[in-house]
Amino acid sequence: ELKVEQNPLFLSMQEGKNYTIYCNYSTTSDRLYWYRQDPGKSLESLFVLLSNGAVKQEGRLMASLDTKARLSTLHITAAVHDLSATYFCAVDLAAQKLVFGQGTRLTINP
Amino acid sequence: GAGVSQSPSNKVTEKGKDVELRCDPISGHTALYWYRQSLGQGLEFLIYFQGNSAPDKSGLPSDRFSAERTGGSVSTLTIQRTQQEDSAVYLCASSLQPGLAGEDTQYFGPGTRLTVL
Repeated sequence: ELKVEQNPLFLSMQEGKNYTIYCNYSTTSDRLYWYRQDPGKSLESLFVLLSNGAVKQEGRLMASLDTKARLSTLHITAAVHDLSATYFCAVDLAAQKLVFGQGTRLTINP
Repeated sequence: GAGVSQSPSNKVTEKGKDVELRCDPISGHTALYWYRQSLGQGLEFLIYFQGNSAPDKSGLPSDRFSAERTGGSVSTLTIQRTQQEDSAVYLCASSLQPGLAGEDTQYFGPGTRLTVL
């Protein structure tokens, strides 16, 4: 059974700081996704990582994938308040069924 | 349409009643998925439709849950004899071409919040 674990589950940080969210998964997969969810809203796709060593960046967010370690990271650089949200990683189990992590609730304080 | 749409946005029902939740995927997307998001269980896969193939129902929690997709587009998720533990947000997603790198990202609708009293 594929398990996906994120840490931390809660993260409170100040604007301007850097931090990293970790996503570990238990079995081999060739696709990993990061999503953002604002309170009361649906999931917004951020990144798709398809291969070992893949790195993608959008604004202050950068995601990477290490398939050998079964680890993905989402790095936040110089955080701003607008990035406050819950972030989910999801791993493709098979035929596109996604298994999600528990989510990391990120709060960025002015 | 511009994105995945779902209706109703909120549904309150009494225990034991049946409910139907609707999903309109992005036009042209061949795959459609249902997930459930609840406080206790997080985000869980329920069912997956791809083209004319038989759906993957492996995530449905009980035989009270069923879904169909008509004409390869709109889907309806039906929950019979609802129970309080069915209370959750039901999310629908669609993707253009599952398994094809760059074309298989799942785009999610706004969800239906179901409350069973």
